[in-house]
Amino acid sequence: NAGVTQTPKFQVLKTGQSMTLQCAQDMNHEYMSWYRQDPGMGLRLIHYSVGAGITDQGEVPNGYNVSRSTTEDFPLRLLSAAPSQTSVYFCASSRDRGFSPLHFGNGTRLTVT
Amino acid sequence: GQQLNQSPQSMFIQEGEDVSMNCTSSSIFNTWLWYKQEPGEGPVLLIALYKAGELTSNGRLTAQFGITRKDSFLNISASIPSDVGIYFCAGLNYGGSQGNLIFGKGTKLSVKP
Repeated sequence: NAGVTQTPKFQVLKTGQSMTLQCAQDMNHEYMSWYRQDPGMGLRLIHYSVGAGITDQGEVPNGYNVSRSTTEDFPLRLLSAAPSQTSVYFCASSRDRGFSPLHFGNGTRLTVT
Repeated sequence: GQQLNQSPQSMFIQEGEDVSMNCTSSSIFNTWLWYKQEPGEGPVLLIALYKAGELTSNGRLTAQFGITRKDSFLNISASIPSDVGIYFCAGLNYGGSQGNLIFGKGTKLSVKP
């Protein structure tokens, strides 16, 4: 049982480049979300989805896009990378609309130069 | 917005010592969660608390949901080297159509053998 799978594990981008961070879960969870983790800042919510076709913004959504075409997948797109987006990104899912405890992936460490 | 104050920020202890950390807020939460993050991995749920005053154990870990619903405590007894990591508290509210999960900034635990 894989749980929440994130790819890639590491990525280096130049300023202005775009890329997509992949997230997939095999637990049939309704709720999926993206967090970024920065030193001393804890985990901050970027975007979340309560089901296929439904997404919404979290605390720090600027510079990121998401879509949820299937229950399993929730990719995070950086449209034009900036050094301020250097961070560790975590995808998480839960059984029902965020009320149940979250299951996290192992993260993607992104560096923007 | 809602904030969680988690303390201490970091702890350096000797193997075998007991550990206490806590999380406080000016807001009431319906659920308190405690996660542990090991280096290079995503947070993993340790304990979930659903009722004010609840005391729950998971092996050497014990957590309590404060009676005021504004705080929670995590204790680790007889620490061992594998307890090293960052411990996050999280508070969950059931407002709106989805849960609103707020994370503390974490307590970094170091254990000296």
